[in-house]
Amino acid sequence: GESVGLHLPTLSVQEGDNSIINCAYSNSASDYFIWYKQESGKGPQFIIDIRSNMDKRQGQRVTVLLNKTVKHLSLQIAATQPGDSAVYFCAENWVGGGYNKLIFGAGTRLAVHP
Amino acid sequence: DGGITQSPKYLFRKEGQNVTLSCEQNLNHDAMYWYRQDPGQGLRLIYYSQIVNDFQKGDIAEGYSVSREKKESFPLTVTSAQKNPTAFYLCASSMPSGGTDTQYFGPGTRLTVL
Repeated sequence: GESVGLHLPTLSVQEGDNSIINCAYSNSASDYFIWYKQESGKGPQFIIDIRSNMDKRQGQRVTVLLNKTVKHLSLQIAATQPGDSAVYFCAENWVGGGYNKLIFGAGTRLAVHP
Repeated sequence: DGGITQSPKYLFRKEGQNVTLSCEQNLNHDAMYWYRQDPGQGLRLIYYSQIVNDFQKGDIAEGYSVSREKKESFPLTVTSAQKNPTAFYLCASSMPSGGTDTQYFGPGTRLTVL
């Protein structure tokens, strides 16, 4: 089956630096993507989403970029803070069979060092 | 976590016992979902419900059962038929609209089989 995956399982950055977390997807029919943040022992928290008719979307300190040509998604976090340390998941919203289904990657752990 | 609550936070089960995990939402969402998360892995869909009194199997439904008698509630029963039930269980809800379906997650229940 098709799946969403990640290039880097662990990313270590210095506080104040920018972070980039990457994600590759394989289902060209998917038209909606979501980034979630999951802190240890907690449920995933919605960060930002993007439709396939967009290339870029910005939030507060976060930007998501979508490159449909190479089926690549990235999450950029500006001025990374210790509170950003968590596991980040990209999810692909696969529509078909009469329902919406989110397909998650394994996640990338972001470690922010002071 | 929004308006989604899960209880209990921690649950211990003896082998051969059935246990029920609670999920309640006050977001007036039509759709609800149950996922299982194992260490270092992404989320896998157990069951989902698009509307009251209707639910469908996800990717790993064997050994689990659900009910959706009320819009606000989607309890998950882990039966003795589930061979490896120790995991982190996440409930989510959404209101599909216009091709997007952002799922919002509860805080999770960690189930351990003794």
